[in-house]
Amino acid sequence: GENVEQHPSTLSVQEGDSAVIKCTYSDSASNYFPWYKQELGKRPQLIIDIRSNVGEKKDQRIAVTLNKTAKHFSLHITETQPEDSAVYFCAASIKEGTGNQFYFGTGTSLTVIP
Amino acid sequence: DGGITQSPKYLFRKEGQNVTLSCEQNLNHDAMYWYRQDPGQGLRLIYYSQIVNDFQKGDIAEGYSVSREKKESFPLTVTSAQKNPTAFYLCASTSRKGPQHFGDGTRLSIL
Repeated sequence: GENVEQHPSTLSVQEGDSAVIKCTYSDSASNYFPWYKQELGKRPQLIIDIRSNVGEKKDQRIAVTLNKTAKHFSLHITETQPEDSAVYFCAASIKEGTGNQFYFGTGTSLTVIP
Repeated sequence: DGGITQSPKYLFRKEGQNVTLSCEQNLNHDAMYWYRQDPGQGLRLIYYSQIVNDFQKGDIAEGYSVSREKKESFPLTVTSAQKNPTAFYLCASTSRKGPQHFGDGTRLSIL
C-alpha cells in the first residue's frame, strides 16, 4: 500500500517568517494530495489541495508544490501568524475499488512565536 | 464541517462494555471512514465504506465493528475486545473526487 512520510515532526518559526513542511509518498498511482490543519481537540480542516496534473497551487499565504517524478510535495506558509500554530497533516489519495483511499502523514506541529 | 455530525462528543466505557459512536452525514457522500487518533499521533484508519452494505477493514480494525445500512450513517462500535480504546475518534466522508470532510470527533475514555 501507499506510505506517506512527513517532516519535520515539529517546527518553530518567528512570526512573519516562512514555514515549509515536506511529504513523500511511495505509490506513483496517488493522484490527489490534500493538506489539513488541526487545532487542539478539533477536527482536521482542509487548507489546500493539489492534483497530480498540477505542479503548484497557491491560496493567499499558503502554497503547495508537487514533484511527481520525485514523489514529494510540500506546504509553504509565508508571513506566518500566531493563529497558524497547529498540527498540519499531508495526505495522498489513491483510487481503490469504487472510491478513494487516503493515506496520512504523521503530522507536523507548527508553533509561530510572536 | 456542519455536514458531518458525530455523537457523543465525550464517551466513557466501562470494562467489558461495548460502546457505539455515531456518525451521520448529509453531504450525499458515498464513502465514509473511521480514524483513531492518539495524542501526538497521526490518523490511523479503522474501517471504511465506499457504498451501502459494504465496508472494509483498515489498518487497526481489531476490536472494532461497523455497519453501513444507510448512506448517511456509519456507526462504529468499540467492543470489549479493544483493550486500549482511549483515543480521539474521527469520522470522515468524501465524494468520488473530493477531499475528506471530518466530523468534530468523539473522545473516548475508560472509566
